Amino acid sequence: DIVMTQSPDSLAVSLGERATINCKSSQSLLYSFNKKNFLAWYQQKPGQPPKLLIYWASARESGVPDRFSGSGSGTDFTLTINNLQAEDVAVYYCQQYYSAPPAFGQGTRLEIK
Amino acid sequence: EVQLVESGGGLVQPGRSLRLSCAASGFTFDDYAMHWVRQAPGKGLEWVASITWNSGSVDYADSVKGRFTISRDNAKNSLYLEMNSLRPEDTALYYCAKAKYCSTGACYFDYWGQGTLVTVSS
Repeated sequence: DIVMTQSPDSLAVSLGERATINCKSSQSLLYSFNKKNFLAWYQQKPGQPPKLLIYWASARESGVPDRFSGSGSGTDFTLTINNLQAEDVAVYYCQQYYSAPPAFGQGTRLEIK
Repeated sequence: EVQLVESGGGLVQPGRSLRLSCAASGFTFDDYAMHWVRQAPGKGLEWVASITWNSGSVDYADSVKGRFTISRDNAKNSLYLEMNSLRPEDTALYYCAKAKYCSTGACYFDYWGQGTLVTVSS
């Protein structure tokens, strides 16, 4: 099974600044047949279910602000939040869908400094 | 508007059973694979089970294999999770999730319900 590891476990960033969350998979998530990385990012605010932000490692879901961007390939991925807003306080999870079973990272808690 | 509404959670003793339901609306239910994902109190997300659009294939996490059964009724736009031999470590908020895209048995999810809480305790 593929194991997903996020870093850091938590971080505090000032309003208007940039937040960077990393995700590493135990094996490559890049599919040779379509050159796509099978990696998604979710945001979970307190008391709410997860919300899809990013899929294919860098494709933004409809309605997600362009402050959120995903990058990376193979085994190393990054979620970047530019111009941090108060409403971005949440736990962020990466998830691989390259092979069953689907697996989530342990989560990164983002707070305002 | 897509809606997923879970029900059936509650307090149950270890070793007993519980059946969760998820009522779906706002999309063509039988076009999509569906999943259950759980979250223990204060913890991260754990995938539990999946079922293809036509119930042709099901899959389970090792932690629940042999104890949980996922099923669906496309005529009723409903997803189910039959949970037997429950253990304290099964205590969690159980989410129903709609798959947006699936590769070889693994999917990512574009809609989630609010969850139903299962507490296993004597």
